[in-house]
Amino acid sequence: TQLLEQSPQFLSIQEGENLTVYCNSSSVFSSLQWYRQEPGEGPVLLVTVVTGGEVKKLKRLTFQFGDARKDSSLHITAAQPGDTGLYLCAGEEDSNYQLIWGAGTKLIIKP
Amino acid sequence: KAGVTQTPRYLIKTRGQQVTLSCSPISGHRSVSWYQQTPGQGLQFLFEYFSETQRNKGNFPGRFSGRQFSNSRSEMNVSTLELGDSALYLCASSLGLAEFHEQYFGPGTRLTVT
Repeated sequence: TQLLEQSPQFLSIQEGENLTVYCNSSSVFSSLQWYRQEPGEGPVLLVTVVTGGEVKKLKRLTFQFGDARKDSSLHITAAQPGDTGLYLCAGEEDSNYQLIWGAGTKLIIKP
Repeated sequence: KAGVTQTPRYLIKTRGQQVTLSCSPISGHRSVSWYQQTPGQGLQFLFEYFSETQRNKGNFPGRFSGRQFSNSRSEMNVSTLELGDSALYLCASSLGLAEFHEQYFGPGTRLTVT
């Protein structure tokens, strides 16, 4: 069974600081997705990374897929209170369409 | 294009009862997945339906079942409810194709079992 480990589980920082969230596995994924979930709502897809070493930027958010396609990171620059939420990563197995989900990182940005 | 809708949004049931939750996917999406989310266990995959057939199944007891209709709408049923079934149940739709199985989630149904 493939597992995705996210770290840290919880992070509380001040507005303006930078942070990095990690998503790691011992297995290879064909793609990896990042989602953000706000209280009372369903997760919203932020980005999908597919190629080993790929870097994608979404405003102040930078996503990277590891060269071996086993890990990924999300870096937020100058965090804002609007970035608060639960960040989830999900890896897609090669052949059976099933997503493997991380447990999530709960991020709180204090003004 | 309308998003994924789930009904009802909130539900309170008594232990031993059964419940049916409904999900309408984004138009054109043929895959519907169901998840259970609790503070302790995180997001747990229940099952996925694609073109009216169950394509994947998570590790949940047989009390949890689902189905998909020809218009891609899906329902999930939980029988003989237990207190531990209290959770946010999320439905997600996707194109269901081989590439980038990206999920578009509904707002969820909050189920409370008393």
